[in-house]
Amino acid sequence: GAGVSQSPRYKVAKRGQDVALRCDPISGHVSLFWYQQALGQGPEFLTYFQNEAQLDKSGLPSDRFFAERPEGSVSTLKIQRTQQEDSAVYLCASRTTDGGTEAFFGQGTRLTVV
Amino acid sequence: EDQVTQSPEALRLQEGESSSLNCSYTVSGLRGLFWYRQDPGKGPEFLFTLYSAGEEKEKERLKATLTKKESFLHITAPKPEDSATYLCAVRNTGGFKTIFGAGTRLFVKA
Repeated sequence: GAGVSQSPRYKVAKRGQDVALRCDPISGHVSLFWYQQALGQGPEFLTYFQNEAQLDKSGLPSDRFFAERPEGSVSTLKIQRTQQEDSAVYLCASRTTDGGTEAFFGQGTRLTVV
Repeated sequence: EDQVTQSPEALRLQEGESSSLNCSYTVSGLRGLFWYRQDPGKGPEFLFTLYSAGEEKEKERLKATLTKKESFLHITAPKPEDSATYLCAVRNTGGFKTIFGAGTRLFVKA
């Protein structure tokens, strides 16, 4: 595709529900990142993939958060047993290689937990 | 711990009124400092990467500069369409993550 695509754009979940957020990176991009952005704040790093390998997951806030990229392209961020503090915009970004500079972001998924 | 602090939090300018945004950073070893623009409801859009102190980059009305402790984003004769949140971020030499500041919200009035 022309850019990074995220779906859904908006998600409302009841507390305790599981959610799955999808990211389609730019074709051929090796590096993929997930970020969490609270209102009025900058993006906070969650996890990083190089192809299908998850090389850094130090930013995942709890074991309720899980990310995968099984074939080195599409990635899914899963949140189990959602809580109100999980409400945020979840951004995905991709880059050509680990050494590349410019990261391309998707429009994000706004998650609201009620 | 790597850290990025941006100031001011918000900046209101008249069209044509030049100004600068500040990004102070602490990083164990700088691999790159990045500037992004973010419009409401959208993901950040890449503007610049700076690698070493003394480096400067320009794009239209924007110019980014870098010292060992801070970076400035200079906006010359801004227009209303420059209104957005400007984010600064750093990446250190030892890892993969990029650390973002909270951003500066810029409002340019016609």
